[in-house]
Amino acid sequence: AQTVTQSQPEMSVQEAETVTLSCTYDTSENNYYLFWYKQPPSRQMILVIRQEAYKQQNATENRFSVNFQKAAKSFSLKISDSQLGDTAMYFCAVTTNSGGSNYKLTFGKGTLLTVNP
Amino acid sequence: DARVTQTPRHKVTEMGQEVTMRCQPILGHNTVFWYRQTMMQGLELLAYFRNRAPLDDSGMPKDRFSAEMPDATLATLKIQPSEPRDSAVYFCASGLAGTARLSTDTQYFGPGTRLTVL
Repeated sequence: AQTVTQSQPEMSVQEAETVTLSCTYDTSENNYYLFWYKQPPSRQMILVIRQEAYKQQNATENRFSVNFQKAAKSFSLKISDSQLGDTAMYFCAVTTNSGGSNYKLTFGKGTLLTVNP
Repeated sequence: DARVTQTPRHKVTEMGQEVTMRCQPILGHNTVFWYRQTMMQGLELLAYFRNRAPLDDSGMPKDRFSAEMPDATLATLKIQPSEPRDSAVYFCASGLAGTARLSTDTQYFGPGTRLTVL
C-alpha cells in the first residue's frame, strides 16, 4: 500500500519570499508519478506540478519547482516569489501505473500555506 | 478550455433521501475517479472507472453507494439512503490512461459537490 506524509500541517511565508513544503512517501513500485495539487478556498483542486519517478531531472513550472529524492522517497515543493494567490491547502500525491492497470492516487493530509502581505 | 464539470455544486438533503451526483469528464479521457473529502479523513478514493468499466470500488460503502458510467460523457455517484456521516465534498476527476509508462497519469478535478445531509 502507498502512503504519503506531509509533516507540516500549516506554514506561512511573507509575500515575495520562498517557501518549501515537504512530502515523503512510501511505495513498492518502481514506476510511479508524483504530484502537488493546490486547493484554494474555492475548494477547486488544481494541479501544480507533476514528476515522473523515472526522470532524474526535477520538474519546474514557473515559480514552482520540486526537489525529488527518489532514494529517500522525498518530494518537496518550492514556491519562489510567493504571491497572495498562493494561499491554499497543498496536497502531495502519488500514483502508480503498472502497465496501466493500477491508477490509484494516494494523497497526503495537506499543508495549509498562508502568504502574508 | 477543457474542464471536468460536476452537478449539483451544492446539495442539502434530509437523512434517508436519495442523492445523485453527476460528472462530465474531459472529452477524450478514459478514466474517471470519485473522491470524498472530509476534515477527518482527508481525500479518499471511492471508485474509479476505465473505459466505463469499474476497476476498483473498494473505498465505497457498498450498501448505500453506487457508481456508474452510463456513457463516456457521464459518470454518476448515488447514495441511497443518505446519512449525516455522508456529508462531505465529493470530487470527480478524469484522466487519460494508456498501457505504457508514457501515459499522462494526471488526474484533473472537477469543482466538487458539497453535500450536507441533515
